[in-house]
Amino acid sequence: DADVTQTPRNRITKTGKRIMLECSQTKGHDRMYWYRQDPGLGLRLIYYSFDVKDINKGEISDGYSVSRQAQAKFSLSLESAIPNQTALYFCATSDTGLAGTDTQYFGPGTRLTVL
Amino acid sequence: GQSLEQPSEVTAVEGAIVQINCTYQTSGFYGLSWYQQHDGGAPTFLSYNALDGLEETGRFSSFLSRSDSYGYLLLQELQMKDSASYFCAVNSGYSTLTFGKGTMLLVSP
Repeated sequence: DADVTQTPRNRITKTGKRIMLECSQTKGHDRMYWYRQDPGLGLRLIYYSFDVKDINKGEISDGYSVSRQAQAKFSLSLESAIPNQTALYFCATSDTGLAGTDTQYFGPGTRLTVL
Repeated sequence: GQSLEQPSEVTAVEGAIVQINCTYQTSGFYGLSWYQQHDGGAPTFLSYNALDGLEETGRFSSFLSRSDSYGYLLLQELQMKDSASYFCAVNSGYSTLTFGKGTMLLVSP
């Protein structure tokens, strides 16, 4: 079984709809991250969480919110989806360690299309 | 702010050696990582450099020069399966990564 799972894998929705992307991990890591990937723009950090009570905004948090329901679960919500949120979304985890040495482990991604 | 520059595309033939460069400007620096991503797949970790010099992992090596804010990924004995996108990423000390825009490597027979 995959260590980091994301649901759904693909989603098509309409402008204005609320949508939630879910991420679960069995790696026992404390740190979880949400990224979006657009063609030619690499991976950009949306939100990150270092433990259940810690939530931090990333580079592009506007229009998104997150919930860390448990150590193993980190959800990303789009309160009112808009077409420019069409992208590939990745969840990632990393273990607590010396600063700078954290390897990140990525889920398979959710391809979201907003019409 | 933070920025990373890497070439958008590199082409090479099977069996060859290719080098993918990365230059960065960051407000803090703990290390430079490299990730590989096959088309539409999950990025996977390749290597990490915190100190100057070369790190070797099989056919892949990564180099860092902190004084030049520069690093590179070296892929040897290229195989078709190495066709993928390669991202450099900086950890600037907050345990988050800032990624470059990626280099697409195309390996031809």
